[in-house]
Amino acid sequence: NAGVTQTPKFRILKIGQSMTLQCAQDMNHNYMYWYRQDPGMGLKLIYYSVGAGITDKGEVPNGYNVSRSTTEDFPLRLELAAPSQTSVYFCASSPPFQGATYEQYFGPGTRLTVT
Amino acid sequence: QKEVEQNSGPLSVPEGAIASLNCTYSDRGSQSFFWYRQYSGKSPELIMFIYSNGDKEDGRFTAQLNKASQYVSLLIRDSQPSDSATYLCAVNWGAGGTSYGKLTFGQGTILTVHP
Repeated sequence: NAGVTQTPKFRILKIGQSMTLQCAQDMNHNYMYWYRQDPGMGLKLIYYSVGAGITDKGEVPNGYNVSRSTTEDFPLRLELAAPSQTSVYFCASSPPFQGATYEQYFGPGTRLTVT
Repeated sequence: QKEVEQNSGPLSVPEGAIASLNCTYSDRGSQSFFWYRQYSGKSPELIMFIYSNGDKEDGRFTAQLNKASQYVSLLIRDSQPSDSATYLCAVNWGAGGTSYGKLTFGQGTILTVHP
């Protein structure tokens, strides 16, 4: 299993450009998440999905959109990039609650710079 | 606003010592608590989770939870230079299967173990 994969690893965008960060998992996990991590900070939840066709906002959704057409893929769309979106973006997946807790598996991250 | 706070760092300990990392959270209804380790430039990796009051041990790591005091800690015994990393505390607020695994992270504590 490849686990959670993310592309690209690095990207530089100009202000106002748009892009899609790709995330895929091969563990058949229902739940998927997008986080951002600013320098020296913890992770903040942007959006999450509990299954194909079902998404919801997290703590910091403004400026982002998501879709979930398949169990495997959960792309994150940035529209009209702004310098405040310079961050490292992590995708994660988790199996559903199994009587104890959830364990999230993280992808390697995408480092995005907006200039 | 549900918040997670970690003790300010960075924390520096000599090799072989016990490193103590602390975390407080704002909501008494919180259910599950996680400690992640993050090496520089890498994604978070789960060390331990705990959801019952008391201690939980796994090798050199012990997680301690006190729900009355809204406090969770991680002890690392016999610290090694390879333990040098940022440690992230995360909280899952919801009850059972209703929270969808969403996590709120603290800002992290940088630990350095010097030979």
